[in-house]
Amino acid sequence: DIQMTQSPSSLSASVGDTVTITCRASQYISTYLNWYQQEPGRAPVLLIYAASTLQSGVPSRFSGSGSGTDFTLTISSLESEDFATYYCQQGYSIPFTFGQGTKLEIK
Amino acid sequence: QVQLQESGPRLVKPSQTLSLTCAVSGGSISSGGYYWSWIRQHPEKGLEWIGYISYSGNTYYNPSLRSRIIISIDTSKNQFSLKLSSVTAADTAVYYCARLINGYNYFDYWGQGTLVTVSS
Repeated sequence: DIQMTQSPSSLSASVGDTVTITCRASQYISTYLNWYQQEPGRAPVLLIYAASTLQSGVPSRFSGSGSGTDFTLTISSLESEDFATYYCQQGYSIPFTFGQGTKLEIK
Repeated sequence: QVQLQESGPRLVKPSQTLSLTCAVSGGSISSGGYYWSWIRQHPEKGLEWIGYISYSGNTYYNPSLRSRIIISIDTSKNQFSLKLSSVTAADTAVYYCARLINGYNYFDYWGQGTLVTVSS
């Protein structure tokens, strides 16, 4: 199985800040990397697929980059609704696997 | 707008079979290019992909669960189902159904999730 490792596991920031979350795959996955946001008690919501393509309806302050094994999710100008947990997921090979999550908290 | 809704027993006894159904609305489950998936999330933990099924009935399962899983599809009812046998407390989790987009293999629509507790 491909292991997905996110860093940091938690992050404190303020409204208006820009934050970056990193996801590393244990082996090459090209750009088969997707990002989700999950609020407490809710299902995950797709933010970005194919490493850098913004899902329809997702604000442009979210962006993704990377290829191979190293990927980043950047959130610019944080808004209050962005404080949630973020997961990366590889779609390169079965079994599809997720990172352990990064909890973004208000400072 | 595609919507998915899980249903099934919320409490299952150890060694029994967990059964869930996902009803799809706002689109046909028989549309090509999609796979219909199950994902679970243990309490306060990360996400685990369980498996998926195509509209034609082809399945792929997580090897860690393969011996205990059956995913089936009923195109006439626009729904698909999960059966997980010989459950233990370790199977207590929130179970989500989701639509998987073939190609980059991402989950674009999710059900709200249902907490299934394994306990006697």
